[in-house]
Amino acid sequence: EAGVTQFPSHSVIEKGQTVTLRCDPISGHDNLYWYRRVMGKEIKFLLHFVKESKQDESGMPNNRFLAERTGGTYSTLKVQPAELEDSGVYFCASSLGTGVVQETQYFGPGTRLLVL
Amino acid sequence: AQSVAQPEDQVNVAEGNPLTVKCTYSVSGNPYLFWYVQYPNRGLQFLLKYITGDNLVKGSYGFEAEFNKSQTSFHLKKPSALVSDSALYFCAVRDMGTGRRALTFGSGTRLQVQP
Repeated sequence: EAGVTQFPSHSVIEKGQTVTLRCDPISGHDNLYWYRRVMGKEIKFLLHFVKESKQDESGMPNNRFLAERTGGTYSTLKVQPAELEDSGVYFCASSLGTGVVQETQYFGPGTRLLVL
Repeated sequence: AQSVAQPEDQVNVAEGNPLTVKCTYSVSGNPYLFWYVQYPNRGLQFLLKYITGDNLVKGSYGFEAEFNKSQTSFHLKKPSALVSDSALYFCAVRDMGTGRRALTFGSGTRLQVQP
Protein backbone atom coordinates (compact mmCIF):
# COMPACT_ATOMS: atom_id res chain seq x y z
CA GLU A 1 0.00 0.00 0.00
CA ALA A 2 1.41 3.36 -1.03
CA GLY A 3 1.84 5.95 1.68
CA VAL A 4 1.05 9.64 1.63
CA THR A 5 2.90 11.36 -1.17
CA GLN A 6 3.70 15.02 -1.59
CA PHE A 7 4.92 17.06 -4.52
CA PRO A 8 7.26 18.80 -4.92
CA SER A 9 9.79 17.67 -2.36
CA HIS A 10 11.48 21.08 -2.47
CA SER A 11 10.47 24.48 -3.80
CA VAL A 12 12.46 27.70 -3.90
CA ILE A 13 10.54 30.81 -4.90
CA GLU A 14 10.87 34.54 -4.57
CA LYS A 15 8.75 36.66 -2.31
CA GLY A 16 5.51 37.58 -4.02
CA GLN A 17 5.37 34.51 -6.21
CA THR A 18 2.78 31.75 -6.02
CA VAL A 19 3.45 28.15 -5.05
CA THR A 20 1.12 25.18 -5.11
CA LEU A 21 1.80 22.10 -3.03
CA ARG A 22 0.11 18.81 -3.71
CA CYS A 23 -0.74 15.92 -1.42
CA ASP A 24 -2.01 12.47 -2.35
CA PRO A 25 -3.38 10.66 0.70
CA ILE A 26 -3.43 6.94 1.28
CA SER A 27 -6.11 5.43 -0.90
CA GLY A 28 -9.45 5.25 0.88
CA HIS A 29 -8.55 7.76 3.60
CA ASP A 30 -11.36 10.26 3.95
CA ASN A 31 -9.45 12.53 6.33
CA LEU A 32 -6.65 14.74 5.05
CA TYR A 33 -4.64 17.20 7.09
CA TRP A 34 -2.08 19.91 6.40
CA TYR A 35 0.56 20.89 8.92
CA ARG A 36 3.72 22.97 8.72
CA ARG A 37 6.94 23.37 10.62
CA VAL A 38 8.39 26.84 10.38
CA MET A 39 11.94 27.77 11.38
CA GLY A 40 12.51 24.47 13.19
CA LYS A 41 9.74 25.16 15.64
CA GLU A 42 6.71 23.05 16.52
CA ILE A 43 4.71 21.34 13.85
CA LYS A 44 1.51 23.37 13.59
CA PHE A 45 -1.89 22.27 12.31
CA LEU A 46 -3.27 24.15 9.32
CA LEU A 47 -6.51 22.46 8.31
CA HIS A 48 -8.49 19.24 8.08
CA PHE A 49 -10.61 17.89 5.22
CA VAL A 50 -13.22 15.19 5.47
CA LYS A 51 -13.59 14.04 1.90
CA GLU A 52 -13.95 17.31 -0.04
CA SER A 53 -15.26 19.40 2.87
CA LYS A 54 -13.16 21.62 5.10
CA GLN A 55 -13.87 20.33 8.59
CA ASP A 56 -11.49 22.57 10.49
CA GLU A 57 -9.45 25.41 9.06
CA SER A 58 -8.66 27.10 12.33
CA GLY A 59 -4.92 26.82 11.79
CA MET A 60 -4.73 28.63 8.47
CA PRO A 61 -2.54 31.69 9.12
CA ASN A 62 -4.15 34.15 6.71
CA ASN A 63 -6.01 34.48 3.42
CA ARG A 64 -2.84 34.03 1.39
CA PHE A 65 -3.27 30.31 1.96
CA LEU A 66 -5.92 28.40 -0.01
CA ALA A 67 -6.48 24.68 0.33
CA GLU A 68 -8.68 22.56 -1.89
CA ARG A 69 -9.62 18.93 -2.15
CA THR A 70 -11.79 18.60 -5.20
CA GLY A 71 -13.42 15.20 -5.51
CA GLY A 72 -12.20 14.17 -2.10
CA THR A 73 -8.97 12.65 -3.35
CA TYR A 74 -5.77 14.67 -3.60
CA SER A 75 -5.41 18.10 -2.06
CA THR A 76 -3.55 21.26 -3.02
CA LEU A 77 -2.30 24.06 -0.82
CA LYS A 78 -1.65 27.32 -2.61
CA VAL A 79 0.30 30.19 -1.13
CA GLN A 80 -0.30 33.48 -2.99
CA PRO A 81 1.62 35.71 -2.66
CA ALA A 82 4.37 33.97 -0.72
CA GLU A 83 6.14 35.85 2.07
CA LEU A 84 9.49 35.16 3.70
CA GLU A 85 7.84 33.83 6.87
CA ASP A 86 6.10 31.11 4.87
CA SER A 87 9.39 29.22 4.55
CA GLY A 88 9.33 25.86 6.26
CA VAL A 89 8.31 22.26 5.78
CA TYR A 90 4.70 21.55 4.85
CA PHE A 91 3.43 18.14 5.85
CA CYS A 92 0.33 16.37 4.69
CA ALA A 93 -1.27 13.52 6.62
CA SER A 94 -4.24 11.25 6.15
CA SER A 95 -6.34 8.99 8.32
CA LEU A 96 -9.04 6.48 7.59
CA GLY A 97 -11.78 7.80 9.88
CA THR A 98 -13.01 7.44 13.39
CA GLY A 99 -12.24 4.65 15.79
CA VAL A 100 -9.18 3.38 17.63
CA VAL A 101 -7.33 2.07 14.59
CA GLN A 102 -8.60 4.58 12.09
CA GLU A 103 -7.57 7.55 14.21
CA THR A 104 -3.88 7.35 13.33
CA GLN A 105 -2.61 10.07 11.03
CA TYR A 106 0.02 8.94 8.55
CA PHE A 107 2.33 11.62 7.28
CA GLY A 108 3.95 12.28 3.96
CA PRO A 109 7.61 13.22 3.47
CA GLY A 110 6.84 16.93 3.42
CA THR A 111 7.52 19.76 0.99
CA ARG A 112 10.41 22.00 1.94
CA LEU A 113 9.52 25.57 0.90
CA LEU A 114 12.05 28.35 0.82
CA VAL A 115 10.90 31.89 0.05
CA LEU A 116 13.72 34.28 -0.87
CA ALA B 1 -6.09 24.91 24.87
CA GLN B 2 -4.08 21.75 24.43
CA SER B 3 -0.30 21.73 24.62
CA VAL B 4 2.65 19.35 24.62
CA ALA B 5 6.02 19.85 26.25
CA GLN B 6 9.19 18.00 25.38
CA PRO B 7 11.61 19.44 27.92
CA GLU B 8 14.80 18.13 26.32
CA ASP B 9 16.04 19.45 23.01
CA GLN B 10 18.52 16.59 22.80
CA VAL B 11 19.06 13.27 24.53
CA ASN B 12 22.39 11.47 24.30
CA VAL B 13 22.69 7.80 25.14
CA ALA B 14 25.23 5.08 24.51
CA GLU B 15 24.31 2.14 22.32
CA GLY B 16 22.90 -0.70 24.37
CA ASN B 17 21.74 1.54 27.20
CA PRO B 18 18.09 2.24 27.93
CA LEU B 19 16.66 5.48 26.59
CA THR B 20 13.83 7.76 27.68
CA VAL B 21 12.41 10.71 25.76
CA LYS B 22 10.09 12.79 27.92
CA CYS B 23 6.69 14.22 27.04
CA THR B 24 4.04 15.93 29.13
CA TYR B 25 0.72 17.22 27.90
CA SER B 26 -2.19 19.43 28.82
CA VAL B 27 -5.75 18.90 27.57
CA SER B 28 -9.22 19.73 28.81
CA GLY B 29 -10.69 16.32 28.05
CA ASN B 30 -9.21 12.87 27.64
CA PRO B 31 -6.10 12.64 25.48
CA TYR B 32 -5.16 10.63 22.48
CA LEU B 33 -1.34 10.52 22.55
CA PHE B 34 1.10 9.75 19.77
CA TRP B 35 4.80 9.44 19.14
CA TYR B 36 6.29 10.08 15.72
CA VAL B 37 9.90 9.82 14.54
CA GLN B 38 11.59 11.76 11.77
CA TYR B 39 14.76 10.34 10.27
CA PRO B 40 17.04 12.70 8.29
CA ASN B 41 15.45 13.86 5.04
CA ARG B 42 12.37 11.77 5.70
CA GLY B 43 8.79 12.46 6.77
CA LEU B 44 7.16 11.77 10.10
CA GLN B 45 6.80 8.08 10.82
CA PHE B 46 4.19 6.80 13.27
CA LEU B 47 5.69 4.90 16.21
CA LEU B 48 2.88 4.25 18.67
CA LYS B 49 -0.24 5.68 20.24
CA TYR B 50 -2.34 5.62 23.39
CA ILE B 51 -6.08 5.81 22.92
CA THR B 52 -7.50 3.80 25.78
CA GLY B 53 -6.82 0.64 27.75
CA ASP B 54 -3.44 -0.55 28.99
CA ASN B 55 -1.23 2.33 30.09
CA LEU B 56 1.86 0.69 28.58
CA VAL B 57 1.75 0.71 24.82
CA LYS B 58 4.21 -1.00 22.54
CA GLY B 59 5.13 0.25 19.12
CA SER B 60 7.50 -0.16 16.24
CA TYR B 61 11.23 -0.92 16.49
CA GLY B 62 11.05 -2.00 20.14
CA PHE B 63 9.79 1.33 21.44
CA GLU B 64 7.18 1.61 24.16
CA ALA B 65 5.51 4.43 26.05
CA GLU B 66 3.72 4.68 29.35
CA PHE B 67 0.63 6.81 29.81
CA ASN B 68 0.50 8.37 33.28
CA LYS B 69 -2.70 10.30 33.81
CA SER B 70 -1.80 11.72 37.23
CA GLN B 71 1.48 13.12 35.92
CA THR B 72 0.02 13.94 32.48
CA SER B 73 3.02 12.27 30.90
CA PHE B 74 3.65 9.93 27.99
CA HIS B 75 7.38 9.18 28.01
CA LEU B 76 8.90 7.16 25.19
CA LYS B 77 11.24 4.35 26.20
CA LYS B 78 13.40 1.62 24.76
CA PRO B 79 15.33 -0.95 26.82
CA SER B 80 18.40 -1.00 24.57
CA ALA B 81 19.24 1.84 22.19
CA LEU B 82 20.63 1.33 18.71
CA VAL B 83 22.72 3.77 16.71
CA SER B 84 19.98 3.60 14.06
CA ASP B 85 17.50 5.05 16.59
CA SER B 86 19.23 8.42 16.21
CA ALA B 87 16.52 10.73 14.89
CA LEU B 88 14.09 13.51 15.83
CA TYR B 89 11.17 12.40 18.00
CA PHE B 90 7.85 14.21 18.30
CA CYS B 91 5.14 13.72 20.87
CA ALA B 92 1.60 14.76 19.88
CA VAL B 93 -1.80 14.96 21.53
CA ARG B 94 -5.37 15.18 20.39
CA ASP B 95 -7.88 16.49 22.91
CA MET B 96 -10.95 14.27 22.86
CA GLY B 97 -12.86 16.99 24.69
CA THR B 98 -12.88 19.32 21.69
CA GLY B 99 -14.03 17.03 18.91
CA ARG B 100 -11.28 18.39 16.66
CA ARG B 101 -8.94 15.96 14.95
CA ALA B 102 -5.98 18.32 14.88
CA LEU B 103 -2.83 17.08 16.56
CA THR B 104 -0.78 19.39 18.75
CA PHE B 105 2.91 18.60 18.64
CA GLY B 106 5.79 19.17 20.99
CA SER B 107 8.92 20.92 19.77
CA GLY B 108 10.75 17.66 19.20
CA THR B 109 13.67 15.91 20.90
CA ARG B 110 16.77 14.90 19.01
CA LEU B 111 18.01 11.50 20.10
CA GLN B 112 21.69 10.81 19.57
CA VAL B 113 22.87 7.25 20.18
CA GLN B 114 26.62 6.92 20.35
CA PRO B 115 28.34 3.66 19.35
